[in-house]
This record gives sequence, C-alpha cells and structure tokens, in this order.
Amino acid sequence: NAGVTQTPKFQVLKTGQSMTLQCAQDMNHNSMYWYRQDPGMGLRLIYYSASEGTTDKGEVPNGYNVSRLNKREFSLRLESAAPSQTSVYFCASSGQGVNTGELFFGEGSRLTVL
Amino acid sequence: GEDVEQSLFLSVREGDSSVINCTYTDSSSTYLYWYKQEPGAGLQLLTYIFSNMDMKQDQRLTVLLNKKDKHLSLRIADTQTGDSAIYFCAVPGRGGSYIPTFGRGTSLIVHP
Repeated sequence: NAGVTQTPKFQVLKTGQSMTLQCAQDMNHNSMYWYRQDPGMGLRLIYYSASEGTTDKGEVPNGYNVSRLNKREFSLRLESAAPSQTSVYFCASSGQGVNTGELFFGEGSRLTVL
Repeated sequence: GEDVEQSLFLSVREGDSSVINCTYTDSSSTYLYWYKQEPGAGLQLLTYIFSNMDMKQDQRLTVLLNKKDKHLSLRIADTQTGDSAIYFCAVPGRGGSYIPTFGRGTSLIVHP
C-alpha cells in the first residue's frame, strides 16, 4: 500500500529554473495539499485542492502554481525558482469520514535553489 | 486564522516522562491532533482528541485538553530513544474548515 508518493525526493536547481513536483495518492482521497517545511517555521500550506477540479491558495502561494490532474494526482510547479524556495516540500491527502482532519503525508521532496 | 504555538525543543532522559505543550486560538475546532515526524520522513498521525473530551489515553500516550485555556498537551510515559522526533500540534481552522493549522513543531531529544 503506497499511500502518498512524491517525486523527486531530491532536486537542486539554479535560480530562474523551473520544475514540477509530482504527487500521487492511492487512497481515493478527495482532498490534497502541498506544504513546505522550513526550520523553525513548521509546516506552511502552499495550495490545496478540496476535490478534483478545484484548487485554492494557502498561506504562502506566491511563486507556485498547482494542477489537480485527476483525483489521484496533484502537482506543484515552480516557474522561476528562487533561493527563498529552498525547502522540504510535503504533499498530503485526506478523505471523508470521522477523521476528516487527518492528513496522510508523503516522504517529502528536498529542493535546493542555488 | 488559527494560531498554534509550541515550544521548539524538549530534552528528556530515557525512562522519564515527556510533556509537549500547545496553545491555540480558535475555539471552534472539533478535533485536535498530534503528528510525529521522524528524521527524514513525512508526518504521521500519532493521536487525536475530540474537543468535547478532557483526556484521552492510548498506551504510553496521554492527551490532555483544557478548552477554557485553549491548551493541549501530549504526555509520553517511559520515554524511549525511539521517541526522538518532532511532534506537531495540529488544529483545524481557516474559517472553520477541516484544514489543520500546524504548530512549528517540538523537537524531542531523548538522552540514554
């Protein structure tokens, strides 16, 4: 049971380059999220998708775009990477039911922008 | 929005109890969560408590909720070196939605 899978796990970019982080979940969850984690800052929500076909901004959306490709996949794109985007990025998903606030996380994508 | 505050570090000796504290601002939250992040990994749900409960116990874990003071704590009894991790308090917020707001995380360091 794979859960939430993120690719790539590691990436080094030069300032101005673009890249897409991929995320897929196999739990038939409706909602998906992208967070970034920085030392001392905890997790900050970048974008989320409450259901297939919808996306909304989170706390720190500037410099990012997202695509909810289908129910399984939610990608995060950096159009012109900046050193301030050096971070660990986590994709998460959540389903319906009693524990609607429970998020299932991927293992993270570690991005360095030089 | 929701503000969730945690201290950043806690150091304990193996076998002692650990208490990790969290305060939050939004009183309409239905569930409150504790997540654990081990080194190099993503977050995993550790436990949760309904807002109408004062305490929940699950083996070595005890969650205490003081709604009046908006204070949540996680107690780990008989702390082991394998408990060394970052612990996040998470409270659903953002206008009453289900999306949790995470605290900054408390790094628990367990000394042998």
